[in-house]
Amino acid sequence: EPEVTQTPSHQVTQMGQEVILRCVPISNHLYFYWYRQILGQKVEFLVSFYNNEISEKSEIFDDQFSVERPDGSNFTLKIRSTKLEDSAMYFCASSEGAGGHYYEQYFGPGTRLTVT
Amino acid sequence: GESVGLHLPTLSVQEGDNSIINCAYSNSASDYFIWYKQESGKGPQFIIDIRSNMDKRQGQRVTVLLNKTVKHLSLQIAATQPGDSAVYFCAEGGGADGLTFGKGTHLIIQP
Repeated sequence: EPEVTQTPSHQVTQMGQEVILRCVPISNHLYFYWYRQILGQKVEFLVSFYNNEISEKSEIFDDQFSVERPDGSNFTLKIRSTKLEDSAMYFCASSEGAGGHYYEQYFGPGTRLTVT
Repeated sequence: GESVGLHLPTLSVQEGDNSIINCAYSNSASDYFIWYKQESGKGPQFIIDIRSNMDKRQGQRVTVLLNKTVKHLSLQIAATQPGDSAVYFCAEGGGADGLTFGKGTHLIIQP
């Protein structure tokens, strides 16, 4: 069964540094997403990406964040100047169509980001 | 603001019993609901979904019930197994790309 993959599984960085989290969505999917989950809390939507541009973003997704699809397979989340409160699990997801419109979103295993 | 929320943070059931996990939502415009299962250290895994034009939908050992009158959603798991131990989230999709997740219920299966 096809699956979403993410690397690295755990990333430790110092406050103020930039990190790039990587995802490989399912190959025939058109919509890509990033979510985050702070320890013990609910999963929160960050951004959706379609047709090489941001489709929607939440209030969390400010200028500190950016997304990119640098090639035909990878989808990345860049966090500039990381803060302690950016420590969380970051999940990538993908779907055939817009996820809020009845299309199942498939989630990756997540990257645990620890900012020290 | 409008949100999706869960009634109980932890539910403990005996192996083999049926489980019912509840969820309340407040956005009357919501038209798509999904249940996800999250095991420790893993990403959310799709279980079952339901559209607002339905009251009930069944899968393998799982049933989702939707009561639009009281804005309530439930997940029933039949004959629970040790592998059902996880955190269960309801999520709402309603016209936006991203899903709105509830806080989660931790289901514990006792032998």
